[in-house]
Amino acid sequence: GENVEQHPSTLSVQEGDSAVIKCTYSDSASNYFPWYKQELGKGPQLIIDIRSNVGEKKDQRIAVTLNKTAKHFSLHITETQPEDSAVYFCAASSRPSGTYKYIFGTGTRLKVLA
Amino acid sequence: NAGVTQTPKFRVLKTGQSMTLLCAQDMNHEYMYWYRQDPGMGLRLIHYSVGEGTTAKGEVPDGYNVSRLKKQNFLLGLESAAPSQTSVYFCASSFTNYGLAGELGEQFFGPGTRLTVL
Repeated sequence: GENVEQHPSTLSVQEGDSAVIKCTYSDSASNYFPWYKQELGKGPQLIIDIRSNVGEKKDQRIAVTLNKTAKHFSLHITETQPEDSAVYFCAASSRPSGTYKYIFGTGTRLKVLA
Repeated sequence: NAGVTQTPKFRVLKTGQSMTLLCAQDMNHEYMYWYRQDPGMGLRLIHYSVGEGTTAKGEVPDGYNVSRLKKQNFLLGLESAAPSQTSVYFCASSFTNYGLAGELGEQFFGPGTRLTVL
C-alpha cells in the first residue's frame, strides 16, 4: 500500500543552524503535503503546507519544497531556536473518487541545542 | 472557540473492559478522524467520518468502533480492551474540499487521550 517515509528519525542541531527533514511518498495521486509540529503532551499542529501545483513555499523561518517527479518533499527550518525542539510529521494526502487518504510519516524528533 | 476537545485525558483499563472516548469540535467541520500514536510509528488512522451519520474504516480499525450521531461529536469505542491498544489516541477534524482541486486540507487535532490497558 501507499506509504510516506520520513528521515531522519532524530536530528540535533546547534541553535542558529538550519534543520532539514525529508519525506518521500509513494502515491503519485497525492496532491497536498502538510507538515505538523507536535510539542510534548500536545496534539500535532499544522505549521506549513504545500499543494502539488507549487514547488516551494516559505513562511518566515520555515520553508517547504516539493519535487513531484521524484516524489520528495522537505521541510527547512533556518536560524533554529530552542522552541523549535519538537516532533515534526510530514503527511501526503489524496482524495480519489470515493476514497480518502491522509498518510503520515513516522516523525522526526528535532532537538535544538543552546 | 475551544477547537477540538477530548475526554478523558488519561485512562487505565484492565484487559476485557470497555470504554468510550469522546471527541467534540466547535468549528462546524464535516470531517472527523481518530488516530492512534505509538512510538516510532507516527499517526495511524483508525476510523474517520465525512459527515453526520457516516463512518469509514482507516488503516487500523480492528478492535474499535465509532459513531457520529451529531456533527460535532465523534465517539471511539473499545468493546474489549487488549494490551495492544495501549496508546495515545488523537481526534482531529477538518473542512471538506479545502483546496481548488478538492484536496483535503489542515487537520485540527485535540490534546490526546493516553490509554493504558493492563
